[in-house]
Amino acid sequence: AQRVTQPEKLLSVFKGAPVELKCNYSYSGSPELFWYVQYSRQRLQLLLRHISRESIKGFTADLNKGETSFHLKKPFAQEEDSAMYYCALSGGRGSTLGRLYFGRGTQLTVWP
Amino acid sequence: GAGVSQSPSNKVTEKGKDVELRCDPISGHTALYWYRQSLGQGLEFLIYFQGNSAPDKSGLPSDRFSAERTGGSVSTLTIQRTQQEDSAVYLCASSIGVPSGNTIYFGEGSWLTVV
Repeated sequence: AQRVTQPEKLLSVFKGAPVELKCNYSYSGSPELFWYVQYSRQRLQLLLRHISRESIKGFTADLNKGETSFHLKKPFAQEEDSAMYYCALSGGRGSTLGRLYFGRGTQLTVWP
Repeated sequence: GAGVSQSPSNKVTEKGKDVELRCDPISGHTALYWYRQSLGQGLEFLIYFQGNSAPDKSGLPSDRFSAERTGGSVSTLTIQRTQQEDSAVYLCASSIGVPSGNTIYFGEGSWLTVV
């Protein structure tokens, strides 16, 4: 069964420190992985997806199929990075093609 | 429109009453989704529409929940005989097609409180 696990509910770092938000998944096929972010009082929005291999706002995430992980990393955290981050997986087939499976989210706080 | 629009933004209702939540997706988006966001529970998938049909409604938590979409556009999520455990933020989202390869855009949500 498809499942996305974000082991940390809360994560705090100081400004300028590296940050890594963990995400592990279980899926039998070839999944598509995403990171979504929700800033305070704003709507949930896509941050990045693994197939794009892009860096958004300094964040990168590499899909590691061997470890079934898709950790989100940033070398130097900024205060404006404080937000709730959700890892998500798309990989349904047939009737579940339209479903995104979300983790429970990690609240990141970056202290000045 | 500029984005996915949801109404009402906040709703307080008494236990046992019915509520209707509305979603207006981005124009031209054929796929529409409903999710529920509860404290500490993350995002729970409810239902997915492709056009007016719902190929996946397996996420609806009980038969008190139903959703419809008309004209390939506006969708309504109805909760009958509301219970306190229904209190949550109900998020609607839309995309041009299925999630794979397409960006899903979320609305701001409808915050439901059942008292």
